[in-house]
Amino acid sequence: GDSVTQMEGPVTLSEEACLTINCTYTATGYPSLFWYVQYPGEGLQLLLKATKADDKGSNKGFEATYRKETTSFHLEKGSVQVSDSAVYFCAAGEAGTALIFGKGTTLSVSS
Amino acid sequence: DAGVIQSPRHEVTEMGQEVTLRCKPISGHNSLFWYRQTMMRGLELLIYFNNNVPIDDSGMPEDRFSAKMPNASFSTLKIQPSEPRDSAVYFCASSRPEGGSYNEQFFGPGTRLTVL
Repeated sequence: GDSVTQMEGPVTLSEEACLTINCTYTATGYPSLFWYVQYPGEGLQLLLKATKADDKGSNKGFEATYRKETTSFHLEKGSVQVSDSAVYFCAAGEAGTALIFGKGTTLSVSS
Repeated sequence: DAGVIQSPRHEVTEMGQEVTLRCKPISGHNSLFWYRQTMMRGLELLIYFNNNVPIDDSGMPEDRFSAKMPNASFSTLKIQPSEPRDSAVYFCASSRPEGGSYNEQFFGPGTRLTVL
């Protein structure tokens, strides 16, 4: 079946460091891809998305590009802040179906 | 837009008691999802509805769990009888019809359930 695999954490960085969280997917169709973020004590929020190959999603300095040839959607940020500390979930899904989520990656940024 | 509303936010109960979690999706959304999140198992899809009809309940752990969506603006997840291993945060999410933002799901704040 379809699945999403993301790098296990926790990821611990200093403020202003570069971030990459890897995500790959397997799907029989052509899914849309998402990154969600969960701050402590809250529900998941959509961070960015891409709906077709080579699309780049971006928000709050985060970026991810839909790479169909490598079935990947890696999350990147050039300079992280303490406020970026959260759990990040990669997800994939086709219209009309439920999303498949990765297990989540905890990011901890220290000043 | 009030977002997805869940109640209660916190629930503490004793083993064997019935627990009912409630969710109000965003108006106009026709898909509703129930998830469970634990440290050990991460985020698990329990069941989802399209147009109030259950589409996939394969994630419901066992017969003690049941979910209903009597109308487009309300859903319940019931556990009867509850067990300590049901302790988790339960999230409800909703999304728009096809043709809108593909499968973008909007999550509620969650219900933290503790079964003693």
